[in-house]
Parts: sequence; structure tokens; C-alpha cells
Amino acid sequence: QVQLQESGPGLVKPSQTLSLTCTISGGSISSGDYHWSWIRQPPGKGLEWIGYIYFSGSTYYNPSLTSRVTISADTSKNQFSLKLTSVTAADTAVYYCARVGSSSWVFFDYWGQGTLVTVSS
Amino acid sequence: DIQMTQSPSSLSASVRDRVTITCRASQSISSYLNWYQQKPGRAPKLLIYAASSLQSGVPSRFSGSGSGTDFTLTISSLQPEDFATYYCQQSYSISYTFGQGTKLEIK
Repeated sequence: QVQLQESGPGLVKPSQTLSLTCTISGGSISSGDYHWSWIRQPPGKGLEWIGYIYFSGSTYYNPSLTSRVTISADTSKNQFSLKLTSVTAADTAVYYCARVGSSSWVFFDYWGQGTLVTVSS
Repeated sequence: DIQMTQSPSSLSASVRDRVTITCRASQSISSYLNWYQQKPGRAPKLLIYAASSLQSGVPSRFSGSGSGTDFTLTISSLQPEDFATYYCQQSYSISYTFGQGTKLEIK
């Protein structure tokens, strides 16, 4: 059973960089079978896809965030990470990591529990 | 960006009711449509992918249909554990946008 766990600071100051890590267990990021994604949800609002990464390092980002987002992978630790620069209060959200169950259909079949990141001074 | 619009935004129903939630895309997305269920404080759970394929482990009372721009999620007989918020998500274009959600509440 695949399990995902997000980790990182819960509070980030405006204009700084948000950094989160997702640790995968029960599966290997190096297997090459799946993409690995970040999705966020502002409090009380809907879901927004941020981007995903393939084990080879290929990345794909939401066009609305591409100038501020970097997703990277550490295959030795079976982790992937999110960096979001120049954050504002609008970036306050629960951040989820998730597995893309199919590269053809792009659905998210396994999710972490989520971690709330608040942008505030 | 492809916009996804769900209706209704909220819905009250009773146990054993048959419920239908609609999702409309701003342009044709073929069958690239997925449905999720989210309970408060929890991550979303995949129910249906590719418009009508039931995810493993999801009860058969959940079904999906549609193609092009109009899609439906149907729960054939509501159970107490089904009261939650439901989201559609298009996977036709890379913004992979979600609908705004439909909150299903107990009547």
C-alpha cells in the first residue's frame, strides 16, 4: 500500500520561499511507473493542481504558477519536493502530495494527509 | 484554461436517496474526467476515473457517465458515510482543473 507524507514548515513569511517534502513509502519513485504531484487547497476552497515530476526529473507545472514553482526528486531518499517562491497570503493552503495513477488519464489515486502552510508575517 | 462547473453547489438528501451531481467543462474534454470525494479534514479520495471507470475498492453504488462537456456522478442509494464534498477534475489539458465542489448534506 502506497503511503505519502508531507513535511515542512507550517508558517512562511511573505516574499519568502515555501519548501515542502513528500516521503513515499510502499512504492518507489524510481520505478518509473508513475508521476508524483503536488496539489493545494486554500482553507474552505477548492483544489488546485501545482505540478508533477517523473523519476527522470521531467517536470510539468500549472501555467498559472510556473514562474514560481520548482518540483524536484531525491531518488535515494524516495522523496520529492516543492519550492514556491515569492509567497503571499494567497498561497496559504493545505498542500497535498499525490501519486498520478496513470500518465494517460492523469488522476490522483494516492494522497498524503496534507499539511497546512500559512503565509503571514 | 478549461473551466469546470459543478451543479448544484450544495445538495440535501436522505439515506437511500438516489443523487446525481453534474460537472460541465468549458470545452470538450472527451472522457478525461475524474471524480473525488472529500470529507472534512481529510485528503480527497478518487472515486471514478476516465469518466466512468470505478476505482478499485470504491462501492458500486457510485457511477460516472458522460463525455465531451457534460458529466454526471450518481450515487444510487446514499449511505451515511457518503455525506461529503465531491469534486470533478479534468485531465484533458495540463492545468488539470477541478470543479468548485458539491457539498452533499444530510436532509
